[in-house]
Amino acid sequence: KAGVTQTPRYLIKTRGQQVTLSCSPISGHRSVSWYQQTPGQGLQFLFEYFSETQRNKGNFPGRFSGRQFSNSRSEMNVSTLELGDSALYLCASRSQSTNEKLFFGSGTQLSVL
Amino acid sequence: QKEVEQNSGPLSVPEGAIASLNCTYSDRGSQSFFWYRQYSGKSPELIMSIYSNGDKEDGRFTAQLNKASQYVSLLIRDSQPSDSATYLCAVNNQAGTALIFGKGTTLSVSS
Repeated sequence: KAGVTQTPRYLIKTRGQQVTLSCSPISGHRSVSWYQQTPGQGLQFLFEYFSETQRNKGNFPGRFSGRQFSNSRSEMNVSTLELGDSALYLCASRSQSTNEKLFFGSGTQLSVL
Repeated sequence: QKEVEQNSGPLSVPEGAIASLNCTYSDRGSQSFFWYRQYSGKSPELIMSIYSNGDKEDGRFTAQLNKASQYVSLLIRDSQPSDSATYLCAVNNQAGTALIFGKGTTLSVSS
């Protein structure tokens, strides 16, 4: 069974631009979560989607948004990029159950110049 | 904001020793607890999950949970240099819809 797939692997953007990241979960997994990882803050929860609905949201500004499609694939968008948005963005999926373990993709490394 | 706390380390142990990693959490309603390992430049990978009070063993790894004390730990027996990594404690929120991570403990095993 294929794992969680994230594209692109690397991105370089400039301040003020916007970016869209993509995530395909493990086949059969209906829940997709997004995390931001930085050396100083560690792994921070952005949001979780289940069956195309945002089920939970972390403490991030409205510039960070996401969506999930009927095939469970998910996209995350960051508008008006800031230097501090430079980070590794990780997507993770799990089965339909709550309280289940997460399986992570390889991440998208975003650099904002 | 519910929190998960870990000592950042580094925790240094010699090869063959027992490494003990600790974690506390603030959400009393949490029902599921996980340990992930992350090598430098890689994504986190799950190594242990625990849902009930007590110990759970899997090979060289033992997870311990004490819900009354809001405390989770991971013991690694016969530590190997390949165990050198950052270990992340993760706790589900009460609703089970968000997995909250600690900042991780860096383990270094010397040969």
